[in-house]
Amino acid sequence: DAGITQSPRHKVTETGTPVTLRCHQTENHRYMYWYRQDPGHGLRLIHYSYGVKDTDKGEVSDGYSVSRSKTEDFLLTLESATSSQTSVYFCAISDKEYQPQHFGDGTRLSIL
Amino acid sequence: AQSVTQPDIHITVSEGASLELRCNYSYGATPYLFWYVQSPGQGLQLLLKYFSGDTLVQGIKGFEAEFKRSQSSFNLRKPSVHWSDAAEYFCAVTILTGGGNKLTFGTGTQLKVEL
Repeated sequence: DAGITQSPRHKVTETGTPVTLRCHQTENHRYMYWYRQDPGHGLRLIHYSYGVKDTDKGEVSDGYSVSRSKTEDFLLTLESATSSQTSVYFCAISDKEYQPQHFGDGTRLSIL
Repeated sequence: AQSVTQPDIHITVSEGASLELRCNYSYGATPYLFWYVQSPGQGLQLLLKYFSGDTLVQGIKGFEAEFKRSQSSFNLRKPSVHWSDAAEYFCAVTILTGGGNKLTFGTGTQLKVEL
């Protein structure tokens, strides 16, 4: 398995609080991605990174921000969590643009 | 915008029977296509990919998929299903933008295997 660690694996928090999810990779891959998975929607891209400090928006980026200060870490932040952001969040990495992405085990986030 | 359709939300097959999971995509150019599998509580595992060349691609765990441009399809097949194949299967398509490949996923097909 690709060396991808997501933390925390589970989190319960309240509406309005800030939340940061971390994705850490040991593969030195250039590309990193954040997805959310919801029933009936499959996975949807939130943000992605194509290098240190280089990020861009995906399909469902509203309410989320990201940062990548080191190759190995990609942070996803919910500035003020809402119940609609309750979901399972997956990080993925890829080495080359055309190579398949490899996924972490996910973070289950519940916002009450 | 690209899109992926998996028309079957749930499929049930008997162990040992053949399997075909359908995937249709909408995209103007030749896409890059993938099938992933997800077991409960786990991340997604790549089964196979199609970039170009031979339209019949082989993957892991005995799966194969065939790219049919005329039908905009990339169906996943397995000749004999095992109980351990019970999982959710996702088809995905990507375009290359110079900033990574941004996958668009179908909504998934949940496979149940009857013993």
